[in-house]
Amino acid sequence: GAVVSQHPSWVICKSGTSVKIECRSLDFQATTMFWYRQFPKQSLMLMATSNEGSKATYEQGVEKDKFLINHASLTLSTLTVTSAHPEDSSFYICSALDWGRASTDTQYFGPGTRLTVL
Amino acid sequence: DAKTTQPNSMESNEEEPVHLPCNHSTISGTDYIHWYRQLPSQGPEYVIHGLTSNVNNRMASLAIAEDRKSSTLILHRATLRDAAVYYCILINNFGNEKLTFGTGTRLTIIP
Repeated sequence: GAVVSQHPSWVICKSGTSVKIECRSLDFQATTMFWYRQFPKQSLMLMATSNEGSKATYEQGVEKDKFLINHASLTLSTLTVTSAHPEDSSFYICSALDWGRASTDTQYFGPGTRLTVL
Repeated sequence: DAKTTQPNSMESNEEEPVHLPCNHSTISGTDYIHWYRQLPSQGPEYVIHGLTSNVNNRMASLAIAEDRKSSTLILHRATLRDAAVYYCILINNFGNEKLTFGTGTRLTIIP
């Protein structure tokens, strides 16, 4: 149980195009989902917190107009990288919060999406 | 958020126990100690968590010091599939759900 999927697993796009990444909780409902970014040899950095039915909360330094987040249902959140540039190339990882399985916050992570912008 | 300190890297032989330390001297009374691990090119995976008492599950054991200023993740019999970066993270149970990932410990398993 507690499975989170991401689609696509990898994507290559041209500079200036937009890319949408989906994050789904497969066997539980997630009121809150998170989006992280990880550059090579570095740790995960939280980009934004996504709450179902409301606007996402972005971390300092993350451009909300560039990284559009939509959390329209309890099992799906999407991250759209608009007008992608080579410096946006990274490993994007989502996670979903499942209160039901543990006595405290336990996040379950997707397998990640590797974005390469040419 | 209270910080954690972990060694950058550790090595262990296959089929031997591994003890991964974590120091969290500024932990508060409401902070839970969580461990996640990240295998190469994958998203992190929840391993275990605890508050005060030692905890066991099918993946690992968590030993928490009596003063809670340190903890140790124990893999009882390491396999090659346990090679990963292990993160020790404190999570306050009062609505602060953000995870702040430090550099973690890169565990290498020697066949």
